[in-house]
Amino acid sequence: AQSVTQLGSHVSVSEGALVLLRCNYSSSVPPYLFWYVQYPNQGLQLLLKYTTGATLVKGINGFEAEFKKSETSFHLTKPSAHMSDAAEYFCAVWGGSQGNLIFGKGTKLSVKP
Amino acid sequence: DVKVTQSSRYLVKRTGEKVFLECVQDMDHENMFWYRQDPGLGLRLIYFSYDVKMKEKGDIPEGYSVSREKKERFSLILESASTNQTSMYLCASSLPGQASGEQYFGPGTRLTVT
Repeated sequence: AQSVTQLGSHVSVSEGALVLLRCNYSSSVPPYLFWYVQYPNQGLQLLLKYTTGATLVKGINGFEAEFKKSETSFHLTKPSAHMSDAAEYFCAVWGGSQGNLIFGKGTKLSVKP
Repeated sequence: DVKVTQSSRYLVKRTGEKVFLECVQDMDHENMFWYRQDPGLGLRLIYFSYDVKMKEKGDIPEGYSVSREKKERFSLILESASTNQTSMYLCASSLPGQASGEQYFGPGTRLTVT
């Protein structure tokens, strides 16, 4: 069985500061891991994904995430926050069977000017 | 450009009404999904479909049914709407197999049941 825990339902950073959104997963099989972003009044869109290979993955809008198997983590980072990054971010794990994504509860990111 | 559309952005229905939410994708994707999104609970899978006329229950199927008569269209049906079904409903689609985790979402339908 798979599960995802996102630490912090709300994160607030200043514009230009580092963004760090935490995600830990549990999976009985090698996981595929995803970060999705939801801007206000929109559906979700894929930010980045880890399947196999390089453990540091880069996504859109300057975000990246590192898969750390020993820590069962897949934290999302961005060196410098922009006002347009304000959104809700969802971490998700896919265990490979039946095609079901398991989502975390989400972290709402606020960016202060 | 990849596109998933949902029939309504906002919908208000009365308790006991039968409600249809429609989703259409233009990517020729085999997989289609219906989720509901509630604050603090994230996304929860209601039903999914791997092929035309095929459906599988997700985590919270009670009170819902689905229909997939054509590959591009996946409908969610609330047989008798109740106030606890007030929520945001998101449709998604994906390719099969190892690409299943990469899902494309519609803009959502915010349903209010009064």
